[in-house]
Amino acid sequence: DTGVSQNPRHKITKRGQNVTFRCDPISEHNRLYWYRQTLGQGPEFLTYFQNEAQLEKSRLLSDRFSAERPKGSFSTLEIQRTEQGDSAMYLCASSLRRDQPQHFGDGTRLSIL
Amino acid sequence: RKEVEQDPGPFNVPEGATVAFNCTYSNSASQSFFWYRQDCRKEPKLLMSVYSSGNEDGRFTAQLNRASQYISLLIRDSKLSDSATYLCVAGGSYIPTFGRGTSLIVHP
Repeated sequence: DTGVSQNPRHKITKRGQNVTFRCDPISEHNRLYWYRQTLGQGPEFLTYFQNEAQLEKSRLLSDRFSAERPKGSFSTLEIQRTEQGDSAMYLCASSLRRDQPQHFGDGTRLSIL
Repeated sequence: RKEVEQDPGPFNVPEGATVAFNCTYSNSASQSFFWYRQDCRKEPKLLMSVYSSGNEDGRFTAQLNRASQYISLLIRDSKLSDSATYLCVAGGSYIPTFGRGTSLIVHP
């Protein structure tokens, strides 16, 4: 399968814990995006990489969130000191060019107890 | 005002009906447009790109109206399997922005 891969699929953790998600984009795609989606809403942009460079970050992304894409391949999204409001589906997408459609992974569903 | 707006619905239609969704965007610099389909608790999947001249893919037709800044999706001969949320996306030189989606329920 050469699609976008995310893991874990589900993460349940207690408030205050740190969590890390991983995304492996389609191999030839140099653009990688992280989104967050809650029930009844569309995906909300979090951050964007072109190769290894993090070019844009949403104002939604507080200091507790950090993302990396070392070597321009896979990416990780870390949330520190999780809060109830962080419960959501975290989606990763990749594309070949900015004006081309994004392809999404299955997402990681985060539940904060 | 949101950058991309959609009527959340739900649109409740019988099988075989024709249904249309509109989506408005506020950024006049938008150059690329897409429709995605999202099933419950699944990831969005690309349904079709939207081209300036309009385009069709089987029962689905997408159109772009730059003057009024909206895109539309028309579904003909609705099937039960078309039940899903339809997300529109506007992008180009900026980060693609998603609407909140329009829910479609096709009933027998």
